[in-house]
Amino acid sequence: TQLLEQSPQFLSIQEGENLTVYCNSSSVFSSLQWYRQEPGEGPVLLVTVVTGGEVKKLKRLTFQFGDARKDSSLHITAAQPGDTGLYLCAGPPYNQGGKLIFGQGTELSVKP
Amino acid sequence: DTAVSQTPKYLVTQMGNDKSIKCEQNLGHDTMYWYKQDSKKFLKIMFSYNNKELIINETVPNRFSPKSPDKAHLNLHINSLELGDSAVYFCASGGYSGNTIYFGEGSWLTVV
Repeated sequence: TQLLEQSPQFLSIQEGENLTVYCNSSSVFSSLQWYRQEPGEGPVLLVTVVTGGEVKKLKRLTFQFGDARKDSSLHITAAQPGDTGLYLCAGPPYNQGGKLIFGQGTELSVKP
Repeated sequence: DTAVSQTPKYLVTQMGNDKSIKCEQNLGHDTMYWYKQDSKKFLKIMFSYNNKELIINETVPNRFSPKSPDKAHLNLHINSLELGDSAVYFCASGGYSGNTIYFGEGSWLTVV
């Protein structure tokens, strides 16, 4: 059973387009993190959202945590080829401290 | 300075061999992790150690044995390697809550 469902799994767009990646669960999370992984590298933390309804911005990236803390979204405005990579959401399930589980990931390709 | 470093980065070995992957973190974290990323890019936790004590063991075959000589090091030893062990193994460190973890660059293991 996949606790965190990410969609879409693959996304190929042109430079300048906007996109949204979703991370959904039927379980409550105390926080959710978004990571980005480039080929040949480890995942790198982009942001952590903690409060239900929280919105965080990182340049052209906007992250939102659902009010019920069961879902999150990542929106990229005016995507650039440098945004290409694997985007992963992750979180520690409620009452399961010490464990971070991951969604399946979204492979984003931004073409010039 | 690399925060979480693991060696070797690439490892090609024959079935039946025994191999080790070493990991060190200089972030001062109490908790370290081993994750496995399969060919579909799915990241799954294998083990976590908190201050040298095993906290999480996610039904990993006992051919995999983690060892933590101190809280800055967590090594992974694999006995009798099988073809299905081929994957990327990531070491990570973070706080005990699992809220935010920092990954090494990965070790690409290929069993032939």
